[in-house]
Amino acid sequence: AQTVTQSQPEMSVQEAETVTLSCTYDTSESDYYLFWYKQPPSRQMILVIRQEAYKQQNATENRFSVNFQKAAKSFSLKISDSQLGDAAMYFCVKANFGNEKLTFGTGTRLTIIP
Amino acid sequence: DTGVSQNPRHKITKRGQNVTFRCDPISEHNRLYWYRQTLGQGPEFLTYFQNEAQLEKSRLLSDRFSAERPKGSFSTLEIQRTEQGDSAMYLCASSHWAGGPRNEQYFGPGTRLTVT
Repeated sequence: AQTVTQSQPEMSVQEAETVTLSCTYDTSESDYYLFWYKQPPSRQMILVIRQEAYKQQNATENRFSVNFQKAAKSFSLKISDSQLGDAAMYFCVKANFGNEKLTFGTGTRLTIIP
Repeated sequence: DTGVSQNPRHKITKRGQNVTFRCDPISEHNRLYWYRQTLGQGPEFLTYFQNEAQLEKSRLLSDRFSAERPKGSFSTLEIQRTEQGDSAMYLCASSHWAGGPRNEQYFGPGTRLTVT
């Protein structure tokens, strides 16, 4: 079975600082997608950033960037200039090529300290 | 576009009762997914449809669970003879799949089921 591991159940960061959330995964596939989704309290899950496994370049989306290490099967999320609205549960997610189903990690709850 | 909607948002039922949830996807999306999220865990895949065809079911989907998407638009998830272990958030997601690899899933707000 495919697994996605997030070893940090909770993290906190001072507003305007930088924080990195860790993720490792297990797969035998060479083509796949990795995502970070955020789930704010009582709100819908939304996509933060996506990484295609065949791309060596790390994805970036404004204040969000990833460090994708394919050989190590590691996929961390860096949030720069943290804002209060970043407070949420963050899930590391792996998808098959074609994206039929998502495999989620257990999540990291991020708290932003004003 | 109002996004993916789910009804009801909350459902409390007694053990042994049947419940049905509805998901309305984004209108042009041909794929629809159901996930279950228990407290403190990430969502787990249950099943997905492409148009009206159910293409895959997880082994988590016991014979008490049935999902339909009769006209390729909205979907229903029914749980028969509910058990306390069915208590969870049931999430629906939809996507537009056109044969290529980019297939972002958009999630609804979920239906929280409590079985007493």
